Amino acid sequence: DTGVSQDPRHKITKRGQNVTFRCDPISEHNRLYWYRQTLGQGPEFLTYFQNEAQLEKSRLLSDRFSAERPKGSFSTLEIQRTEQGDSAMYLCASSRDGSGPQHFGDGTRLSIL
Amino acid sequence: AQRVTQPEKLLSVFKGAPVELKCNYSYSGSPELFWYVQYSRQRLQLLLRHISRESIKGFTADLNKGETSFHLKKPFAQEEDSAMYYCALSLNTGGFKTIFGAGTRLFVKA
Repeated sequence: DTGVSQDPRHKITKRGQNVTFRCDPISEHNRLYWYRQTLGQGPEFLTYFQNEAQLEKSRLLSDRFSAERPKGSFSTLEIQRTEQGDSAMYLCASSRDGSGPQHFGDGTRLSIL
Repeated sequence: AQRVTQPEKLLSVFKGAPVELKCNYSYSGSPELFWYVQYSRQRLQLLLRHISRESIKGFTADLNKGETSFHLKKPFAQEEDSAMYYCALSLNTGGFKTIFGAGTRLFVKA
């Protein structure tokens, strides 16, 4: 098991475009989390799933953001009509259960031109 | 509101010196606290959690509910301890939203 895998590692796009990121969690983990991290800050919670159910979504997540985990395995995070402020590192993590430690991926770095 | 505060952005110590990375939290419920570490060019990984009450790589952290603190300590710092350290609070509210502090960069000088 290679741990949590995220794709792509880097994404450069023009403002207004849509982007989609993928996260493959550790196979036996039923919880999956998305975070956003900007320079000088810690990871900021966006949303999380238990199996295929999206249980909580941050108020910081605008309507332009949507996340899915259709079969309870991999997850996608889509950002529509990207804005300059969306430039950040997007991290995915998974855990075996809710109180367990989270295992992080390497992240996807998004740059908006 | 729930919050995790790490007051130091950067902490620089000499090899062999004691180190303490401060973490204070704000949460009225029963907290679950963690320290995560990110070494250069590596992914974020768990260092320790308060319920384990264990020492990892010589680091310990004690939860002080009275002072709402979870400081990370090591008696003798090593150069390989240089990294970014994040304190995290997991909210046991039916879900497990996790709030991270802004992080402290530890630099251990030779």
